[in-house]
Amino acid sequence: GAVVSQHPSWVICKSGTSVKIECRSLDFQATTMFWYRQFPKQSLMLMATSNEGSKATYEQGVEKDKFLINHASLTLSTLTVTSAHPEDSSFYICSARDGRFYEQYFGPGTRLTVT
Amino acid sequence: QQQVKQSPQSLIVQKGGIPIINCAYENTAFDYFPWYQQFPGKGPALLIAIRPDVSEKKEGRFTISFNKSAKQFSLHIMDSQPGDSATYFCAATQSGSARQLTFGSGTQLTVLP
Repeated sequence: GAVVSQHPSWVICKSGTSVKIECRSLDFQATTMFWYRQFPKQSLMLMATSNEGSKATYEQGVEKDKFLINHASLTLSTLTVTSAHPEDSSFYICSARDGRFYEQYFGPGTRLTVT
Repeated sequence: QQQVKQSPQSLIVQKGGIPIINCAYENTAFDYFPWYQQFPGKGPALLIAIRPDVSEKKEGRFTISFNKSAKQFSLHIMDSQPGDSATYFCAATQSGSARQLTFGSGTQLTVLP
C-alpha cells in the first residue's frame, strides 16, 4: 500500500514553455501533498504544501507564479512550471500524506531538463 | 531550531558490516522521526520511523535507536548488503504545519561486496 506515482518520469522542454507534472496517490486519500526539489547530491528542498481544495502554501523564496500547484482532489496534485528556464532544470519529487497518519510517502520523481 | 544535523556525509562498509548513521535535533516539539532510503534517480522510500516514547525500534535488518534526553537518533543496518548502497535521510516532524518533514543532509552509504 501507500503508493504515490508521478508523471512524467522525465521531460525535456524548451526555454519559455510550460510543463505540468502530475502526482497521484494510488491507494489512499492524500489530504496533504508536498512538492520538493532536489539538486544532485543534496537533500530535498520543500517548495510548497497543499491541502486538498485549498491554495498551496509556498516556502520562502519559491515563486508561486512560476510554480503553480493545484490539489483539486484527494488523489491528484499538479505542479506546473511556467515559462521554464534552464535554471529550473532539476529533480522534482512529490509526496503525499493521509491526514489521519504521520507517514509521508514519496513519488518516484520527475527529471526536468530545460534547454 | 528547525535543523536536523546528520552525520557522516558518506560511509563505506564491507558486506556484513553494521553502518551507523546519526542525527541530532534541537526542536523538542518534534514527535515523529522517519528514515528514508533513496536510490539514484528515484524518490525517497520510507524505511522505518520512531516516536520519542520508544528508545528502539527494529524492522528487519534496520534498527532505530532514540535518545530523547540527548535529542539524538541513529539508524543501524545489520548484516549490510551491496543492495543497501543508497543515500539515507533522517527526518523529523511535529504536529501542525501539515507535518512538514525537516530533513537531514543525507548520508551516502556504499556497501562493498
